[in-house]
Amino acid sequence: DGGITQSPKYLFRKEGQNVTLSCEQNLNHDAMYWYRQDPGQGLRLIYYSQIVNDFQKGDIAEGYSVSREKKESFPLTVTSAQKNPTAFYLCASSIYTDGYNEQFFGPGTRLTVL
Amino acid sequence: DAKTTQPNSMESNEEEPVHLPCNHSTISGTDYIHWYRQLPSQGPEYVIHGLTSNVNNRMASLAIAEDRKSSTLILHRATLRDAAVYYCILRGGGSQGNLIFGKGTKLSVKP
Repeated sequence: DGGITQSPKYLFRKEGQNVTLSCEQNLNHDAMYWYRQDPGQGLRLIYYSQIVNDFQKGDIAEGYSVSREKKESFPLTVTSAQKNPTAFYLCASSIYTDGYNEQFFGPGTRLTVL
Repeated sequence: DAKTTQPNSMESNEEEPVHLPCNHSTISGTDYIHWYRQLPSQGPEYVIHGLTSNVNNRMASLAIAEDRKSSTLILHRATLRDAAVYYCILRGGGSQGNLIFGKGTKLSVKP
C-alpha cells in the first residue's frame, strides 16, 4: 500500500532536548512538507522540500531543522531553540508543489515536552 | 494566498445532504479551491478541488459560484464518519505549494 508513515505516534521529551520526527513516503512524490497544529487551530507550514537536497522555510521555521537526503524521507528535528514545541506534527507529500496537486498527509506525531 | 471565510460549526442529520459554504471574495484568477477534512487526532484528508467548473467525485461535489467569490462543498448523504473539521483553502496555480489552513468548519452528524 502506498502512503505516508510517521513515527512514533506519541513522543515525550524533556525540555532542552532535541528530538527528530520521522516521515517516510512510498508514493514517489517529489514534494514533501512539515506542518504544525496547535489545539483548535489549523495547520501551519514549518518547512517544505520540492526535490532531494533542497528545502525552504515555511511560516514558522524558527527552532526547527530538516534534511532531504532521499526522495522518500524528510525528517524534522525539533531543537531546544523552539520555545513551545508541544504540538501535533503532520508530514505531507505531493507530486509537485504547484497549486493543482493534492497533498497526502501522514497520521501525525503528537509531541509533548515535559 | 487569498483568505477564506467559513462558519465555525454546522450540524446535520445522518443520511441528509450537507452544504458547507466558503467565501473567498479576494480569489485571483489562477487560484484553485481545495477542500480537505480532518477527523479527530488524524492528518487531513483531501476531499475535492476545482478551478471554475463544478466538480464531482466519489466523496463529494464542489459547486463554484459564477464569479468564483464563493463555493459550496456538498456531501450528498451525511454519515457519522463524515463528522470532521472541513477546511476550504485557496492555492495559486504556481504557488510554493503549502496549504494555508484557517480554522475550518466543524461538522457534527446526528444519528
